[in-house]
Amino acid sequence: DIQMTQSPSSLSASVGDRITITCRASRDITNYLNWYQQKPGKAPTLLIYDASTLETGVPSRFSGSGSGTDFTLTISSLQPEDVATYYCQHFDILPRTFGQGTKVEIK
Amino acid sequence: QVQLQESGPRLVKPSQTLSLTCTVAGGSISGGGYYWSWIRQSAGKRLEWLGRINTSGSTFYNPSLQSRVTMSVDTSKNQFSLNLRSVTAADTAIYYCARGDLYFDPWGQGALVTVSS
Repeated sequence: DIQMTQSPSSLSASVGDRITITCRASRDITNYLNWYQQKPGKAPTLLIYDASTLETGVPSRFSGSGSGTDFTLTISSLQPEDVATYYCQHFDILPRTFGQGTKVEIK
Repeated sequence: QVQLQESGPRLVKPSQTLSLTCTVAGGSISGGGYYWSWIRQSAGKRLEWLGRINTSGSTFYNPSLQSRVTMSVDTSKNQFSLNLRSVTAADTAIYYCARGDLYFDPWGQGALVTVSS
């Protein structure tokens, strides 16, 4: 299986801050990487697919980048509604695996 | 828009079989050639992909489940199902159904299943 490792596990930032979450794959997955947002008590929702393509309706303050083994999710200006846990997920091979999540809070 | 809803017993005894059904609303389960997946989330919050099925019945199961899992599909009811045999407390989790197997979208709201005697 491909191991997905996210960092940090949690972060606290102020409204308007730029934040970055990192996801590292245990082997090259080209751009076969998705990001999800999970708000408290809710199911995850697709945020970004193919490493950098925003899902329809996702605010432009979200962006994704990377290829190979290293990927990032950036929120350019953190908003209160962005409080959530963010997960990366690869789709290079079966089985699909997820990162352990990064919990984002407002300071 | 397509919506998914999990249903089934929320309490299962150890060694028994966990059975859940996902009903697809707002579209045909046979439309679009999608795979349909099951994903679970334990209390530790890690997401684990359990496997996928398509409407032809083609499946792939996560090897981590060691052959305890079976998935099926009923296109006449617009549903697909999960059976997990010989459950233990470690199988206590929120179980989600989702469309797709490259990316998962949308997801059901989730069903918390507790394994306890």
